Amino acid sequence: EIVMTQSPATLSVSPGERATLSCRASQSVGSNLAWYQQKPGQAPRLLIYGASTRATGVPARFSGSGSGTEFTLTISSLQSEDFAVYYCQQFKNWPPLTFGGGTKVEMK
Amino acid sequence: EVQLLESGGGLVQPGGSLRLSCAASGFTFRNYHMNWVRQAPGKGLEWVSFIADDGSGPHFADSVKGRFIISRDNSNNRLFLQMDSLRVEDTATYYCARAGVFTRGNYRFWPFFDQWGQGTLVAVSS
Repeated sequence: EIVMTQSPATLSVSPGERATLSCRASQSVGSNLAWYQQKPGQAPRLLIYGASTRATGVPARFSGSGSGTEFTLTISSLQSEDFAVYYCQQFKNWPPLTFGGGTKVEMK
Repeated sequence: EVQLLESGGGLVQPGGSLRLSCAASGFTFRNYHMNWVRQAPGKGLEWVSFIADDGSGPHFADSVKGRFIISRDNSNNRLFLQMDSLRVEDTATYYCARAGVFTRGNYRFWPFFDQWGQGTLVAVSS
C-alpha cells in the first residue's frame, strides 16, 4: 500500500498570501496524483489531477507540481473561499486508492 | 449538470446491515467507473470500493473486504453498496464518487474522483 503523507497538518495564512501544501508518497506514483478541497459540511471537490492539470472551473490561482514522490499544491493568492481542508490522493498502484491525511488551511 | 445523490444511510446496530444507493444523472452513467469513499466524523477520506463501468472488477479496501458488496444498475443509473456485519468503525459519511480518467500521450490514468455526491451518514452504534 502506498502511504501518502501531507504537511503541514495546519497552515495559517493571511488572505492574499501564497499557500504551499506538500504531499509525499511512500513510493513513486509518477504523475498519478490528485488534489481535493473540502469545506466544512461539504463533499470534497476535485482541484487537480495528473499532478498538475486543473479540473474544470478551478481558478488559475491553484496550481499543482511535482512527480514521483514529492508534490506541491500552491494557492498563489489566498481568497476567503479557499480556507478549507486539502487532500492528495494517489492512483498509481491500487487497490487500495489512498489519500493523505489532509492539510487544513486556516486564516491567520 | 452532473448529480450524484446518495440515500440509505441511518443508524444501525453492530452486526447489522444497510444498503446504500446512489442515483446518478447528468452524464452517461454506463460509461463511467464508480466508487464509494467514506469519511469518519472529524477524520480524513478513505476509499472503500470501486466498480468498473460494466460492473466488472470490483475492488475493496481491506477494512471492508468480505463484508461489503458493490454493484450497479446501468439501466436505472444507480450505484449500490451492500454493507453487512457492520462495525462501530464503519461509522462515516459515505460518498458516491465518479472515477475520473485522463490521457497523457498513449496512456490513460485512473481513477481519481471527479464528481462527488453530498454523502449519506451511516452510524453504527448499540
